[in-house]
Amino acid sequence: TQLLEQSPQFLSIQEGENLTVYCNSSSVFSSLQWYRQEPGEGPVLLVTVVTGGEVKKLKRLTFQFGDARKDSSLHITAAQPGDTGLYLCRGRTSGSRLTFGEGTQLTVNP
Amino acid sequence: NAGVTQTPKFRVLKTGQSMTLLCAQDMNHEYMYWYRQDPGMGLRLIHYSVGEGTTAKGEVPDGYNVSRLKKQNFLLGLESAAPSQTSVYFCASSYSTLGRRNEQFFGPGTRLTVL
Repeated sequence: TQLLEQSPQFLSIQEGENLTVYCNSSSVFSSLQWYRQEPGEGPVLLVTVVTGGEVKKLKRLTFQFGDARKDSSLHITAAQPGDTGLYLCRGRTSGSRLTFGEGTQLTVNP
Repeated sequence: NAGVTQTPKFRVLKTGQSMTLLCAQDMNHEYMYWYRQDPGMGLRLIHYSVGEGTTAKGEVPDGYNVSRLKKQNFLLGLESAAPSQTSVYFCASSYSTLGRRNEQFFGPGTRLTVL
C-alpha cells in the first residue's frame, strides 16, 4: 500500500506553461519534503514544510502544505526545459517511517 | 567536501554472484540509508543506520545485508544476486530524521544489472 500518492504520474508540457503536481495521503503528515531528481543523478531537496497551510516559494516554484497536513502541491509557473525531472514527495505519516511517493515525471518541451 | 559518494557506478553480475556497494559521506551525518529505485515504484528503503555500529531493516530488506563499521561508510551487500535485484541503488545520509533537519543527501547512484 502506497502511503503517499502522487499525481499525475507523467506530465508533458510546452515551455511557458504552468503546472501543478500533487502529493496526497489519507493520514496526517508530520512533515513533508519535495525533491527533484534529474536523469542519472540522485534526488535533491527543494523544500521542507512542517506547518499546516504553509506556503513556500522558490523562484518559479510554489509549494503548499494543506491546512489539515494530509496533502501538498507543487506549482511551477512558466515552466522551462530545465525544470524537467522526477519530482518526489517524502513524508512521515502517523505511525510510519519516512517514505517517498512514486513521483511525477515532468517533461518540459522547448 | 564531496558529499555522498558511491562505488561502483555500474556493475553487471550473473545470477548467484555476490558484491558489495560502498557508500561514503563526509558530512559527519549519523543517519545513512540504502534505497533501490525501480520504474514506477519510486524509492524504496532497503536498510538504514542510525549511527556507527547500528543497522535496521527498511521496506524491502530481503536478499541484502548492510554494515556500518565506520560512521562515514555504509556498505550494502548482495550475497547471491538475483535478476529481481536489477535496479538503481542510491545511498543517502542525513543529520536527523525530524522536521526541517531531515534533509537527505543522495549519492549519484549505482546501476546494477543481474543477468
